Amino acid sequence: QVQLQESGPGLVKPSQTLSLTCTVSGGSISSGDYYWSWIRQPAGKGLEWIGRIYYSGSTNYNPSLKNRVTMSVDTSKNQFSLKLRSVTASDTAVYYCARDAVEWSFDYWGQGTLVTVSS
Amino acid sequence: QSALTQPASVSGSPGQSITISCTGTNTDVGGYDYVSWYQQHPDKAPKLLIFEVSGRPSGVSYRFSGSKSGNTALLTISGLQAEDEADYFCQSYASTTLYVFGTGTQVTVL
Repeated sequence: QVQLQESGPGLVKPSQTLSLTCTVSGGSISSGDYYWSWIRQPAGKGLEWIGRIYYSGSTNYNPSLKNRVTMSVDTSKNQFSLKLRSVTASDTAVYYCARDAVEWSFDYWGQGTLVTVSS
Repeated sequence: QSALTQPASVSGSPGQSITISCTGTNTDVGGYDYVSWYQQHPDKAPKLLIFEVSGRPSGVSYRFSGSKSGNTALLTISGLQAEDEADYFCQSYASTTLYVFGTGTQVTVL
């Protein structure tokens, strides 16, 4: 059973960089069978896809966030990471990592981690 | 890329059937058979219910079914149960952004 777990600071100051890591267990990122995504959800609102990464490091980003996002992968640790630069209060959300199923859906999700942007 | 449009809320009595709509454009819902649906209970991660318009992952109840016509996808929940009270989100492949989600629908079991 694949499991994903997000980790990182729960509080980030405005204009700084949000950094999160997703650790995958029960499956290997380097198998090359899947992409791995970040998705966020502001409180009481809908879901927004941030971007995805392949084990090779190849990425796709949401155009609305592309200028501020960087994703990376560490296959030795079976982890992938998100960096979001120049954050504002509007970046406050629960951040989820998820596995991209081959059918353009997300079949496994982490439990989510709340990141608050505040001074 | 705008979010897909869903009704804010839908309600029904136990045992009834309800349908949630998800409207997009020909660059997402209407252009591809890659519509998925998710169920989200409060403070929980979303759970995949439907993929590729009408496919059901292993372990998902047969009471959940999906369909699509033109730019609108539908999720039907039959035999409504108290445990179905949750938020539901659609999601589609989109030629502009790869993925786009719906605005979400809150389902209330009366």
